[in-house]
Amino acid sequence: DTAVSQTPKYLVTQMGNDKSIKCEQNLGHDTMYWYKQDSKKFLKIMFSYNNKELIINETVPNRFSPKSPDKAHLNLHINSLELGDSAVYFCASSQTSGGAYEQYFGPGTRLTVT
Amino acid sequence: KNEVEQSPQNLTAQEGEFITINCSYSVGISALHWLQQHPGGGIVSLFMLSSGKKKHGRLIATINIQEKHSSLHITASHPRDSAVYICAVSRRDDKIIFGKGTRLHILP
Repeated sequence: DTAVSQTPKYLVTQMGNDKSIKCEQNLGHDTMYWYKQDSKKFLKIMFSYNNKELIINETVPNRFSPKSPDKAHLNLHINSLELGDSAVYFCASSQTSGGAYEQYFGPGTRLTVT
Repeated sequence: KNEVEQSPQNLTAQEGEFITINCSYSVGISALHWLQQHPGGGIVSLFMLSSGKKKHGRLIATINIQEKHSSLHITASHPRDSAVYICAVSRRDDKIIFGKGTRLHILP
């Protein structure tokens, strides 16, 4: 059973389109995250939700909108995709917020914008 | 300057060698994480530390809170240890900041 799953694994789309990435965790964790890994493999936090409530919202264009329908799911919707959005997006979860808990990562979604 | 600095950026060693990767940070933290990213891209948490030392198999992680420094050691390194090792810190405002990673290559 996969602890943190993401769909799709690969996403190729054209500039200007709108796309969504889905994330689900079956660990019973309260906190979920979205991270972006750029072409130089540098990871950066985008958003964090605790029990469906947004707790971290980094300096991310408002074309990116996370949605957490319940604490097991955190989806990422991206409007008007741009070339610079091409990256690998990782979802992760931890037992709760506060940072001092182990992070469990999904397999990543490689987004390519052409 | 990044709040989390790792060294070295790249490391190539022979199988069996003792490996050390260093991480320095400049902010107050609640915890420090060591992550491993395999060539296939998946990320696995190796350790989470807030003080002292942890050991798991051939891997040892230490942290010195006063000096704001952590090290990851691999004993008896093996080619399957080849991966990118990433240091990350959980700041007291809950944000997580990542280092740029250390690319480790162990030659058979």
